[in-house]
Amino acid sequence: GENVEQHPSTLSVQEGDSAVIKCTYSDSASNYFPWYKQELGKRPQLIIDIRSNVGEKKDQRIAVTLNKTAKHFSLHITETQPEDSAVYFCAANNAGNMLTFGGGTRLMVKP
Amino acid sequence: NAGVTQTPKFQVLKTGQSMTLQCAQDMNHNSMYWYRQDPGMGLRLIYYSASEGTTDKGEVPNGYNVSRLNKREFSLRLESAAPSQTSVYFCASSVGLEGGELFFGEGSRLTVL
Repeated sequence: GENVEQHPSTLSVQEGDSAVIKCTYSDSASNYFPWYKQELGKRPQLIIDIRSNVGEKKDQRIAVTLNKTAKHFSLHITETQPEDSAVYFCAANNAGNMLTFGGGTRLMVKP
Repeated sequence: NAGVTQTPKFQVLKTGQSMTLQCAQDMNHNSMYWYRQDPGMGLRLIYYSASEGTTDKGEVPNGYNVSRLNKREFSLRLESAAPSQTSVYFCASSVGLEGGELFFGEGSRLTVL
């Protein structure tokens, strides 16, 4: 089955700096890669996703890049703000279209 | 619209007790899911229901059963709770299985003593 590895598990940045979270996946048939943000004590919520027919997608300060050859994808957050502090999860779909999630990255943005 | 609602939010059980987590969505979604969340392990799929009348095992189904009661409701039952089932459980729904946004409930924190 699909295996998704996510790094780093924790990330601390200064407000205004950029943050990058990386994920690798194992199933070459995966074609959908979403990112979810979970604030403390809250539910996960989709922040951005990318499909395999594109290499990059941006939404304001957030971008996701995909390298299908290397089977990895990354989340980039620019000009980080304290409200970006949360746990971020990457995911990839498997043959049955179920999502396999990475272990999560706790991002802390220091003011 | 309430989205996805699940109950209870908190529950403490003794080993061997049974309980049912309830989930309902009002977005007319076809597919529903139950995940568990443990520290450092992300979200793991327990069971899912692609559409009303169908249920299938996910990654970690042992010790659980599910019922898709109707299009809106999808329940998760622990017949004989074990300490290893201590976790936060999330119900989610999506339009279908085609790879789109999952909408999560607020979560249910279950402790098994």
